[in-house]
Amino acid sequence: DTEVTQTPKHLVMGMTNKKSLKCEQHMGHRAMYWYKQKAKKPPELMFVYSYEKLSINESVPSRFSPECPNSSLLNLHLHALQPEDSALYLCASSQDRNSNQPQHFGDGTRLSIL
Amino acid sequence: QKEVEQNSGPLSVPEGAIASLNCTYSDRGSQSFFWYRQYSGKSPELIMFIYSNGDKEDGRFTAQLNKASQYVSLLIRDSQPSDSATYLCAVNTWYGQNFVFGPGTRLSVLP
Repeated sequence: DTEVTQTPKHLVMGMTNKKSLKCEQHMGHRAMYWYKQKAKKPPELMFVYSYEKLSINESVPSRFSPECPNSSLLNLHLHALQPEDSALYLCASSQDRNSNQPQHFGDGTRLSIL
Repeated sequence: QKEVEQNSGPLSVPEGAIASLNCTYSDRGSQSFFWYRQYSGKSPELIMFIYSNGDKEDGRFTAQLNKASQYVSLLIRDSQPSDSATYLCAVNTWYGQNFVFGPGTRLSVLP
């Protein structure tokens, strides 16, 4: 079990659907991250939130929309996704962006786009 | 030039042997170095991190850092079949930017 909780664990959606991925941590971390990981590749950074403010958006298409309602929660809203968006979506948190502390990952959401 | 490099493997070692995983990085300003283990279909799990030159030991795992040569390694002693996984090296730069992951090395420990 990890201290970063992601829901749902699996999600299958059509290209016209709207869904959201959720992430929660209670470690008091002030930096939270979304990554996308394709098979046999390392995690690829999508977004970084620092103290609930978006600090990095790695040129992610607008069909992915992040939200950080408070310091413990991170959402990723999905709309009009493409089949190539099928991947493992990982949430991570760390003490803050500028420390040397490690990132801790959730178990991920396995997303399949039909 | 890739920022963090690892041999993709697979690296095969017999059970009980020492597995040696290597990682090189290009940014001399890098300050902290992390090793993650990832089983197929699972999320990355932190194994160790190291900040200072030298060795850091935790059970069967030893991380070694040489900043002058810009490499970090992970040794796994008494390798077990359960150690078979992909090992990801991650590097955090001095200016506090985000992790840069290497491509990962796939380790196979043969019974």
